[in-house]
Amino acid sequence: GQNIDQPTEMTATEGAIVQINCTYQTSGFNGLFWYQQHAGEAPTFLSYNVLDGLEEKGRFSSFLSRSKGYSYLLLKELQMKDSASYLCAVRDSNYQLIWGAGTKLIIKP
Amino acid sequence: GAVVSQHPSWVICKSGTSVKIECRSLDFQATTMFWYRQFPKQSLMLMATSNEGSKATYEQGVEKDKFLINHASLTLSTLTVTSAHPEDSSFYICSAIETGHTEAFFGQGTRLTVV
Repeated sequence: GQNIDQPTEMTATEGAIVQINCTYQTSGFNGLFWYQQHAGEAPTFLSYNVLDGLEEKGRFSSFLSRSKGYSYLLLKELQMKDSASYLCAVRDSNYQLIWGAGTKLIIKP
Repeated sequence: GAVVSQHPSWVICKSGTSVKIECRSLDFQATTMFWYRQFPKQSLMLMATSNEGSKATYEQGVEKDKFLINHASLTLSTLTVTSAHPEDSSFYICSAIETGHTEAFFGQGTRLTVV
């Protein structure tokens, strides 16, 4: 079956760095996405990786290793507003999106 | 976990026809559902927020008469692309928030091709 794994919850300190991991087993691979969702709001797109390596976008970076079925989202210089859920999703060979359950990130002062 | 199902998974239609996409929350009730469109550069664009029993709230630049949204029940929202044109070909995704909760769950998406 198809499966996306990511930690349920993580806690980090304001100003620090946190890495949220995502491992996947899917039928084919056509890209991996990261989304941020604040409580009660619509999820927003953060990043997209289709080739191995690191994609940097400001304080957020996303890494992909297709051979390992692994990705991570790196958040630097954490701010209180970064407290949210972070969802990992993989697009499979049928172009369907397989979603992880999300990681709730708690930022403490 | 909560499951959001979209139907159909993919559809091909002729230019000028209308296509309806369904978004269902299978094991929970969703007061709020969101509809997204995925552009070629891979980012998701929020099209509208759908609240059960009321009119959808459309994002700026989204034609509400072209993309009709109906959220008639707590488990179903539909997006109808009216008078579809080739430029409407895209990947449409919905997500839903369970009533009384704050976490959103995504559907698997619908690939629309207009020929």
